[in-house]
Amino acid sequence: DGGITQSPKYLFRKEGQNVTLSCEQNLNHDAMYWYRQDPGQGLRLIYYSQIVNDFQKGDIAEGYSVSREKKESFPLTVTSAQKNPTAFYLCASSIPRTLNTEAFFGQGTRLTVV
Amino acid sequence: DQQVKQNSPSLSVQEGRISILNCDYTNSMFDYFLWYKKYPAEGPTFLISISSIKDKNEDGRFTVFLNKSAKHLSLHIVPSQPGDSAVYFCAASGNTDKLIFGTGTRLQVFP
Repeated sequence: DGGITQSPKYLFRKEGQNVTLSCEQNLNHDAMYWYRQDPGQGLRLIYYSQIVNDFQKGDIAEGYSVSREKKESFPLTVTSAQKNPTAFYLCASSIPRTLNTEAFFGQGTRLTVV
Repeated sequence: DQQVKQNSPSLSVQEGRISILNCDYTNSMFDYFLWYKKYPAEGPTFLISISSIKDKNEDGRFTVFLNKSAKHLSLHIVPSQPGDSAVYFCAASGNTDKLIFGTGTRLQVFP
């Protein structure tokens, strides 16, 4: 059945290391997003992609990088430049905006820097 | 600059009564609004949406109202049930796929 899958659910990283979070969808959605959730700050947009091989920075892109080589996949790399990487990361996907439909979310990855 | 604001971080309502969650936005280019429900350590799930050409959309116990002149929307849940206890996020989008979320309101429905 169709859905959006994030892995792993929990991830631990040592300071100074890069880490990549996986996001895969089989919904045939063109648009994909990465959000970060911190207590009391809601969901903040990191990066989004409207089509393969294209992506745009969101509100808090510093210290993160993404790629969109395939329609199904939108991995997020948290680099050592990200000052406060411990957070809950959410990936989402949607069909084109003109159809006014909702975004579907994965179950999230909790990243902890140790 | 917070473009989508949920000024009430929490709300407590008795089972069977109405829950009203509020959301304000500042960007007049937003033309599509959504409400999501989220449990801890899970991804948000879509509840209901409304286009700017409407002022009301209803789906079962959930109704969303949009007041464009006031840049305000609200979610009404009637009757409230204990299973509705969660964090509710409003979100908005304009002429791109960029979806902007508010900070969330934690709803607790007690017996």
